[in-house]
Amino acid sequence: DQQVKQNSPSLSVQEGRISILNCDYTNSMFDYFLWYKKYPAEGPTFLISISSIKDKNEDGRFTVFLNKSAKHLSLHIVPSQPGDSAVYFCAASRQFTGGGNKLTFGTGTQLKVEL
Amino acid sequence: SQTIHQWPATLVQPVGSPLSLECTVEGTSNPNLYWYRQAAGRGLQLLFYSVGIGQISSEVPQNLSASRPQDRQFILSSKKLLLSDSGFYLCAWTPDREAAYNEQFFGPGTRLTVL
Repeated sequence: DQQVKQNSPSLSVQEGRISILNCDYTNSMFDYFLWYKKYPAEGPTFLISISSIKDKNEDGRFTVFLNKSAKHLSLHIVPSQPGDSAVYFCAASRQFTGGGNKLTFGTGTQLKVEL
Repeated sequence: SQTIHQWPATLVQPVGSPLSLECTVEGTSNPNLYWYRQAAGRGLQLLFYSVGIGQISSEVPQNLSASRPQDRQFILSSKKLLLSDSGFYLCAWTPDREAAYNEQFFGPGTRLTVL
């Protein structure tokens, strides 16, 4: 049962244009959502996050939108740069009772920004 | 600043051999620690987490075990590896705070190939 889904395994965008990466989830218990960026053979790097009580969070070129009623979130990158080429993972967080939290990840979207 | 280390970076092991992967965190005390696995073409899956020395919780039944012998050390082990244990293993941490904390910070990972 995949609770977090990224239905687009890949996305190709021209430099300077907007990149939009999408993510859907099924579990209403998730209270926080995150995007991670990952290069091959490296660990994921935290990019941006959003609480379930908000619908938008912006950090420089990166904006995350959350639509709770649709259980959908998206990451917008404007303008896209060649260095943004990587795999992007959507993750949903749920707190454990005794401390810590569990991240449930999507399968990732490979973004390629072309010159 | 905090740093997370994992070793080895890559490992090739025969089926039936033992496994020991190590993760250490610097620059913080009493972190929450996590082990994830990324199988080929899939998202990251939480295997174990720990909120303190000797405290281990398992998320999925499997051929692996985890231990936390010291505050900032987290070890992933197996007595006998299976082919299905191949994957990219990632350690992550979050600070120990009273308020909920959601962003997890990942190490560089270990690529394990079981032959």
